[in-house]
Amino acid sequence: EAGVAQSPRYKIIEKRQSVAFWCNPISGHATLYWYQQILGQGPKLLIQFQNNGVVDDSQLPKDRFSAERLKGVDSTLKIQPAKLEDSAVYLCASSLDSGTSYEQYFGPGTRLTVT
Amino acid sequence: AQSVTQLGSHVSVSEGALVLLRCNYSSSVPPYLFWYVQYPNQGLQLLLKYTTGATLVKGINGFEAEFKKSETSFHLTKPSAHMSDAAEYFCAVSRAHQGAQKLVFGQGTRLTINP
Repeated sequence: EAGVAQSPRYKIIEKRQSVAFWCNPISGHATLYWYQQILGQGPKLLIQFQNNGVVDDSQLPKDRFSAERLKGVDSTLKIQPAKLEDSAVYLCASSLDSGTSYEQYFGPGTRLTVT
Repeated sequence: AQSVTQLGSHVSVSEGALVLLRCNYSSSVPPYLFWYVQYPNQGLQLLLKYTTGATLVKGINGFEAEFKKSETSFHLTKPSAHMSDAAEYFCAVSRAHQGAQKLVFGQGTRLTINP
């Protein structure tokens, strides 16, 4: 079974530029998560989708971050404009459904460096 | 609100020695608790989880954890460390948000194994 795919794996941009990350979850998984992991910290949930609807985006900085999950499969996370403090690893995860008993499977992440 | 505290950002043990990674949680409701492992440049992988029932939980790679409600702890142990155990370990607590699961992670503990 293929895992969660993410691209690109690494990205370096200058502040005020825009960037987009892509995630392809495990086939059949209804729930998709985007996490931000700043160096030395645990992952922090940015947004959670159930199929193509948003369940939780309470910690998403909506003035600069946006995310979509068209057709309930792939998802993109965009930052525009980027700030220095956005430097982090962005992790995508998926689960069969949204209940606690469903394991979240994580992708390898995209490491973003903002200079 | 749920939160997690991992005691010690860096733990170093000798190969063959006992591994003990500490996690304390704060939760207003019976918690679901998790341990994840993250190898360099990879996503997170579930080691084990506690939901209900037996308080001693066994996971992959010889790890286990014990839920102690009176101490609000969920410490991770392994009797004999192996070089391949070197990684970052995250404790997490799950809370319900609008009917869905939300994971709140600790800041992580980096485990180093000395030959």
